[in-house]
Amino acid sequence: DQQVKQNSPSLSVQEGRISILNCDYTNSMFDYFLWYKKYPAEGPTFLISISSIKDKNEDGRFTVFLNKSAKHLSLHIVPSQPGDSAVYFCAASASSGGSNYKLTFGKGTLLTVNP
Amino acid sequence: GAVVSQHPSWVICKSGTSVKIECRSLDFQATTMFWYRQFPKQSLMLMATSNEGSKATYEQGVEKDKFLINHASLTLSTLTVTSAHPEDSSFYICSAPGRTNTEAFFGQGTRLTVV
Repeated sequence: DQQVKQNSPSLSVQEGRISILNCDYTNSMFDYFLWYKKYPAEGPTFLISISSIKDKNEDGRFTVFLNKSAKHLSLHIVPSQPGDSAVYFCAASASSGGSNYKLTFGKGTLLTVNP
Repeated sequence: GAVVSQHPSWVICKSGTSVKIECRSLDFQATTMFWYRQFPKQSLMLMATSNEGSKATYEQGVEKDKFLINHASLTLSTLTVTSAHPEDSSFYICSAPGRTNTEAFFGQGTRLTVV
């Protein structure tokens, strides 16, 4: 049962344009969401996160939008750069406030930014 | 930011042998670490939660006798794949929660190939 879904396995955009990566979740207990970027044979690196009390969080070229009613979030990258080409994972957690913090990941979306 | 170091980055072993993967938190103490496994084109799947000074907690379907986890200190967790078989070939990644428990820091990952 996939609780975090990234339905687009790949996305190709032109340099300078906007990249929009989508993520849906089913578990209503999730209250914290993160995006990770991953290059082949490397561990994921943290990009941006959003708490369920917000609907938008922005950090430079990266903006994450959260629609709680639709259980949907998206990552916007603008302008896209060739160096953004990587696999992007959406992750979610049901924060307990304790130290046992677990992430549930989507399958990832391979973003290719063409020069 | 916090750094998690994972070693080795890749290993090839023969069927039936055991392989140990180390995960170290370099500039912070981690009472909890997580071990993930990623198959090609699949999501990161949580295997187990490593707890310093106590037994690891395994996710459903993960064989605890096959994937031995030891968390002997606040900066080191190890995953030992015992009696490895070709189907154990995968990408293994460890992570540790951040200080605020709002994100996780990942190791570089280990590519295990069993021949």
